[in-house]
Amino acid sequence: QKEVEQNSGPLSVPEGAIASLNCTYSDRGSQSFFWYRQYSGKSPELIMFIYSNGDKEDGRFTAQLNKASQYVSLLIRDSQPSDSATYLCAVTVSGYSTLTFGKGTMLLVSP
Amino acid sequence: ETGVTQTPRHLVMGMTNKKSLKCEQHLGHNAMYWYKQSAKKPLELMFVYSLEERVENNSVPSRFSPECPNSSHLFLHLHTLQPEDSALYLCASSRQGNTEAFFGQGTRLTVV
Repeated sequence: QKEVEQNSGPLSVPEGAIASLNCTYSDRGSQSFFWYRQYSGKSPELIMFIYSNGDKEDGRFTAQLNKASQYVSLLIRDSQPSDSATYLCAVTVSGYSTLTFGKGTMLLVSP
Repeated sequence: ETGVTQTPRHLVMGMTNKKSLKCEQHLGHNAMYWYKQSAKKPLELMFVYSLEERVENNSVPSRFSPECPNSSHLFLHLHTLQPEDSALYLCASSRQGNTEAFFGQGTRLTVV
């Protein structure tokens, strides 16, 4: 059974702080890792993907992958109230995007 | 706008009705997916179509029936649904060999 685990939160951070979101996965064969952002009542929006161990930065977002420890994280620098959403971690082991999702972590950024 | 369009956005149906959800992608992708999102549960993959080949989650009840007439269109036919089928149904697409999936806006389904 492939599982992706996330703390459901909410994770509360003040505006301007760094938000750290974590995700662990059970399948060692997982190859691709994604972070989606989902606003209430909306569909998931892809914000980051990472395939190799290490860090990947895109603007205020940094994805970190450690395959040996089977975890992937998302750092959001200079958090803004508009970052308040549920962040979904997803992994895949195949080339056909059969994504396995975690339940998501709710992030609340207070002004 | 992600390039994946779903209709209708909202649907209320009785348990004896038959309805269909539609999805269309304008991204030139080769794979399309149906996901179900229920409250406090992870997104659940229901069906995958890649190059017109269907792969399904065996736990999906037969009252859900997918159809993929071509690589740009995907349907989900619904019949004799149950109240517990009320959820957000999401369509997604991806390019074969590229695992990034892009979602449509979803159909909020309520079964009464």
